[in-house]
Amino acid sequence: AQKVTQAQTEISVVEKEDVTLDCVYETRDTTYYLFWYKQPPSGELVFLIRRNSFDEQNEISGRYSWNFQKSTSSFNFTITASQVVDSAVYFCALSEGTGANSKLTFGKGITLSVRP
Amino acid sequence: KAGVTQTPRYLIKTRGQQVTLSCSPISGHRSVSWYQQTPGQGLQFLFEYFSETQRNKGNFPGRFSGRQFSNSRSEMNVSTLELGDSALYLCASSLEGLAGGVLFFGPGTRLTVL
Repeated sequence: AQKVTQAQTEISVVEKEDVTLDCVYETRDTTYYLFWYKQPPSGELVFLIRRNSFDEQNEISGRYSWNFQKSTSSFNFTITASQVVDSAVYFCALSEGTGANSKLTFGKGITLSVRP
Repeated sequence: KAGVTQTPRYLIKTRGQQVTLSCSPISGHRSVSWYQQTPGQGLQFLFEYFSETQRNKGNFPGRFSGRQFSNSRSEMNVSTLELGDSALYLCASSLEGLAGGVLFFGPGTRLTVL
């Protein structure tokens, strides 16, 4: 079973639409971290957000918001009023363990296309 | 602060050859991790080095190896190249490491094996 599932592979929206990218994770650890990274066409992954397992507060940063729900093991990402510059591949990732036992797993990524 | 740099950016090799990729982390970051990205398999973790020691390893054959120097710069080596090794190889540096640390990625090295 995949540890990080991003069921949507490609999403296409028109500019100014809202879009939600889903991420479901699986872990037995009580302490873990979740991340979202963005990979624009240039190829360089960029960090967007980190959440630890004890912090279920939702977060808003400008047009971006994240909804973390431990009850459903989900960490979804919403872009409000999408823009063409949001076109990229978005990866959700799970970090478990500590030190030499730490493990980082990425989802397969969601390709978001925002059309003008 | 300079970002993560990777050299070379592009490489073309033939089957059976070996290749060495280089990664210079952000100053002060002791953790460097490597990833292989392909359209079919996505982003897969290769290994992590922390203070010159390999701390974690992914599920890749022994042909993939790496090392880290005292200045935290890291190299990744792939021997006896196969066609399936064609991929974008990304390195990332981190202050905290894989255990919850934020990763700062380099631009990647695009390796093509003919």
